[in-house]
Amino acid sequence: GQNIDQPTEMTATEGAIVQINCTYQTSGFNGLFWYQQHAGEAPTFLSYNVLDGLEEKGRFSSFLSRSKGYSYLLLKELQMKDSASYLCAVNSGGYQKVTFGIGTKLQVIP
Amino acid sequence: DAGVTQSPTHLIKTRGQQVTLRCSPKSGHDTVSWYQQALGQGPQFIFQYYEEEERQRGNFPDRFSGHQFPNYSSELNVNALLLGDSALYLCASSLAGLGENIQYFGAGTRLSVL
Repeated sequence: GQNIDQPTEMTATEGAIVQINCTYQTSGFNGLFWYQQHAGEAPTFLSYNVLDGLEEKGRFSSFLSRSKGYSYLLLKELQMKDSASYLCAVNSGGYQKVTFGIGTKLQVIP
Repeated sequence: DAGVTQSPTHLIKTRGQQVTLRCSPKSGHDTVSWYQQALGQGPQFIFQYYEEEERQRGNFPDRFSGHQFPNYSSELNVNALLLGDSALYLCASSLAGLGENIQYFGAGTRLSVL
């Protein structure tokens, strides 16, 4: 089976940096996604890591270590609009099945 | 370029009824996946359609069925509705084959079963 773990809630201050961790156990790993989901809205794509290392996209960066089954999403210069749930999802198997974690609800406070 | 569209946006049904939800994929995409998202949870994979066939399925009962049409649009059918089927149903489209296969989501259909 597959298992994805991430913290359920986090709080951070506007302008600060926050790191959201995700650990996973899966077979047939293809890659790892991070999605952002505002309350009542659809998930929106943030990043996709296939190889080990850090990928940076503006204020958001994502890191992957396949040997450790570990990823993190780094958000810099936090803004109030970053308050949302952040979903870690693993792409596995020959047909690209995507399995989501429970999501980390991030609250950004002034 | 139209993104993923779903209809209806909201639906209220009673126990035992049947429901059909619809999804049109992003232009150029050929694969449609359906997810159920309960409040406070991550999306749970229901099934995926490619070339008009169910290619893989999550841990959902046979009451959940689907269809994909030649234009790649898709339907999700749920029979004999239970209270526990109340959730946000998300459709995601992607392009099969090699590559990232990033899934793009529609806004969802919120189903309430009374």
